[in-house]
Amino acid sequence: SYELTQPPSVSVSPGQTASITCSGEKLGDKYASWYQQKPGQSPLLVIYQDDQRPSGIPERFSGSNSGNTATLTIGGTQAMDEADYYCQAWHSSTVVFGGGTKLTVL
Amino acid sequence: QVQLVQSGAEVKKPGASVKVSCKASGYTFTGYFMHWVRQAPGQGLEWMGWINPDSGGTNYAQKFQGRVTMTRDTSISTAYMELRRLRSDDTAVYYCARAPGYHSMDVWGQGTTVTVSS
Repeated sequence: SYELTQPPSVSVSPGQTASITCSGEKLGDKYASWYQQKPGQSPLLVIYQDDQRPSGIPERFSGSNSGNTATLTIGGTQAMDEADYYCQAWHSSTVVFGGGTKLTVL
Repeated sequence: QVQLVQSGAEVKKPGASVKVSCKASGYTFTGYFMHWVRQAPGQGLEWMGWINPDSGGTNYAQKFQGRVTMTRDTSISTAYMELRRLRSDDTAVYYCARAPGYHSMDVWGQGTTVTVSS
């Protein structure tokens, strides 16, 4: 089965750039999506098709995907960005999520 | 506005079944896949499967095959997820989420808490 691997945690200082990686075999050949989830809330799509932002998502959120790694980058990280982030891809008509990364802004 | 509203919390005994509903509004129900994703307490997101409301076609994660059934009623724009032979480790929040075909899940329901306990 296909797997996506994320670091369990990432820490960043306010105003700095946070990068969260997602690794999977030939992930660059697929589209990667990213979801933000804050405690007690439903997931929110923040990046789709590798690098596209849905309406309403701040410009500081960006994405890339090449080779075996997709990356979510948050520029000028704010306290409100502290959350769990999940990558997702399609594989053989099924959906795969990464294990999630807890982003701490401190 | 586009919205997915799920049914309320459930408490079930081991071995029982649960059926969760997800009512869509604000868009053409048959134009988007509906996924079901669950999240056990303190854990990550786990994909369960999808249903194509237009055709009724489904695709379930291997882990749940034989135990889950996803259906829909297009007349009331509602999708359903039934999970049978519940175990304590099925205790989780269950989400529905729409996706335009083989793409990202852009709208999520509020979640339904299912507790399995004797």
